Amino acid sequence: EPEVTQTPSHQVTQMGQEVILRCVPISNHLYFYWYRQILGQKVEFLVSFYNNEISEKSEIFDDQFSVERPDGSNFTLKIRSTKLEDSAMYFCASKSGRAIEQFFGPGTRLTVL
Amino acid sequence: ILNVEQSPQSLHVQEGDSTNFTCSFPSSNFYALHWYRWETAKSPEALFVMTLNGDEKKKGRISATLNTKEGYSYLYIKGSQPEDSATYLCAFFGGSGGGADGLTFGKGTHLIIQP
Repeated sequence: EPEVTQTPSHQVTQMGQEVILRCVPISNHLYFYWYRQILGQKVEFLVSFYNNEISEKSEIFDDQFSVERPDGSNFTLKIRSTKLEDSAMYFCASKSGRAIEQFFGPGTRLTVL
Repeated sequence: ILNVEQSPQSLHVQEGDSTNFTCSFPSSNFYALHWYRWETAKSPEALFVMTLNGDEKKKGRISATLNTKEGYSYLYIKGSQPEDSATYLCAFFGGSGGGADGLTFGKGTHLIIQP
């Protein structure tokens, strides 16, 4: 069964460093998303991406965040200069053109020290 | 700001018992309500996507109902088994249902089944 994959499963970084979180969505899907969950809080929407551009973004997704689909399979989230409060589980999701259901990856746990 | 609430936050249930929990969401601008089952270190697994008021969906021992007019959904588990232990997330999908819209999640109900 096709699935969304994410790497790495856990990333530890120093405050101020750049990190890139990687996702491989399901191959025929057209819409791609990033969400995050800070420990003990709700899963929050960050950004959606369609047709090679950002479609929608939340207030959380400020200038230090960027997304890219560098080739036909990967979808990345870059955090330019990490802060302590960026520590969270980051989920990638994708969906096909007609469906409502979003399929999630297992997440990357980002720890900023 | 959309408010999606789930209760209870956590629940301990004896194996074999049935249980249920609630998700409340805005009744305006509704398009769909998702239920996900999430075990630690795994991907959240989609259980149901519900769109119509009065919808009832079933998957094995798990079922869900939807009331869009009053803004709530119930998830039921019949005859709980240890493998049902997980966090159950509901997520609201609103607006025009445009493909790019993000989901708004509740905090989840953490279910523990005790043998």
